[in-house]
Amino acid sequence: SYELTQPPSVSVSPGQTASITCSGDKLGDKYACWYQQKPGQSPVLVIYQDNRRPSGIPERFSGSNSGNTATLTISGTQALDEADFYCQAWDSSTEVVFGGGTKLTVL
Amino acid sequence: EVQLVESGGGLVQPGGSLRLSCAASGFTFSSSWMHWVRQTPGKGLVWVSGINSDGSSTRYADSVKGRFTISRDNAKNTLYLQMNSLRAEDTAVYYCARGGAGATVYFVYWGQGTLVTVSS
Repeated sequence: SYELTQPPSVSVSPGQTASITCSGDKLGDKYACWYQQKPGQSPVLVIYQDNRRPSGIPERFSGSNSGNTATLTISGTQALDEADFYCQAWDSSTEVVFGGGTKLTVL
Repeated sequence: EVQLVESGGGLVQPGGSLRLSCAASGFTFSSSWMHWVRQTPGKGLVWVSGINSDGSSTRYADSVKGRFTISRDNAKNTLYLQMNSLRAEDTAVYYCARGGAGATVYFVYWGQGTLVTVSS
């Protein structure tokens, strides 16, 4: 079965750039998206179709996807960005797959 | 404002059944793919099932195929998940989610979730 691998945790200082990776076999051939989930809340879509931001998502969130790796980048990270982040991909043969999640700590 | 409100969760014994509902508002429900995604407490997200806009096409994760049935009532703007032969490993928060547009699958809006606990 298809798997997406994320680092369990990423730490960043306020105002710096955070990068969260998501790895999977030929992931660049699929569309990747990213969700942010804060404690006790439902997930929120922050990036879809590799690099598109839904309305209402700050410009500091951006995404890329090439080769075997998709990356979520948060520029000028703020304390309120602290959350779990999940990548997700789909294709007709593997259906929907989520990564295991990355806890972003802003310290 | 888009709203997805799940209901129907609770405690059920192994082998039992439960039906979840998701009431949708604030968007054109009858034009949207809809999905169920679950999350084990403290763990990650797992897609469960999806259904197309008119209910003619359904998809399931292998782990629930043959036990769960997704359906919808566009006249009532409501999505359902009938869960039979429940197992302990089905214990999770179940989220209803609206699918995004385009040729790929992603989840634009999520409900608040409903907790299903399978235990004797």
